Amino acid sequence: EVQLVESGGGLVKPGGSLRLSCAASGFTFSSYSMNWVRQAPGKGLEWVSSISSSSSYIYYADSVKGRFTISRDNAKNSLYLQMNSLRAEDTAVYYCARGQDQLPMRAFDYWGQGTLVTVSS
Amino acid sequence: QLVLTQSPSASASLGASVKLTCTLSSGHSSYAIAWHQQQPEKGPRYLMKLNSDGSHSKGDGIPDRFSGSSSGAERYLTISSLQSEDEADYYCQTWGTGVVFGGGTKLTVL
Repeated sequence: EVQLVESGGGLVKPGGSLRLSCAASGFTFSSYSMNWVRQAPGKGLEWVSSISSSSSYIYYADSVKGRFTISRDNAKNSLYLQMNSLRAEDTAVYYCARGQDQLPMRAFDYWGQGTLVTVSS
Repeated sequence: QLVLTQSPSASASLGASVKLTCTLSSGHSSYAIAWHQQQPEKGPRYLMKLNSDGSHSKGDGIPDRFSGSSSGAERYLTISSLQSEDEADYYCQTWGTGVVFGGGTKLTVL
């Protein structure tokens, strides 16, 4: 059974940093692209970032480019999102999601349950 | 610019059918999309990938009541024999140089 479990969310002050993790199991992690998607309270889904299976291709939404860094450790079956210079508008539930094959820019076929990030003073 | 447009809300009666629409922006009518369901207070769940020719591949465990079809720039999700647990938000997703989500349709089962 495919499982994606996010962690690392919490309350952080504006300008602060946070690192999210996503632990994957139930599939060959190194064969699939991975993604971060967020959802602000009461709002829709917003794509944040994608990474190919070998980390060769990385993409970011304009809203986070230069502040967020996606990475993965295939040996640990884990996906990460380093978030710096956080703003109030980054407040959201952050989901990790699996892409349908090794390249990014694909349908997302499994999702985690999310971790809440709150940016507030 | 790649944009997906969805109606904000839809409703249908228990046991009936409903057809949700996702419209691709001009010049992108050949793009595939994916449909996702998000029940209240839960993470999204992948329903299917839907191609421009109407062919689709469903996710694990998705009932036959869920089906997809396409016409031009429009992508449809049809849910038949509506059940109470189908009350949820439905999002379409596509991809190009980035990933795009539609604004979502909130489905109410009456």
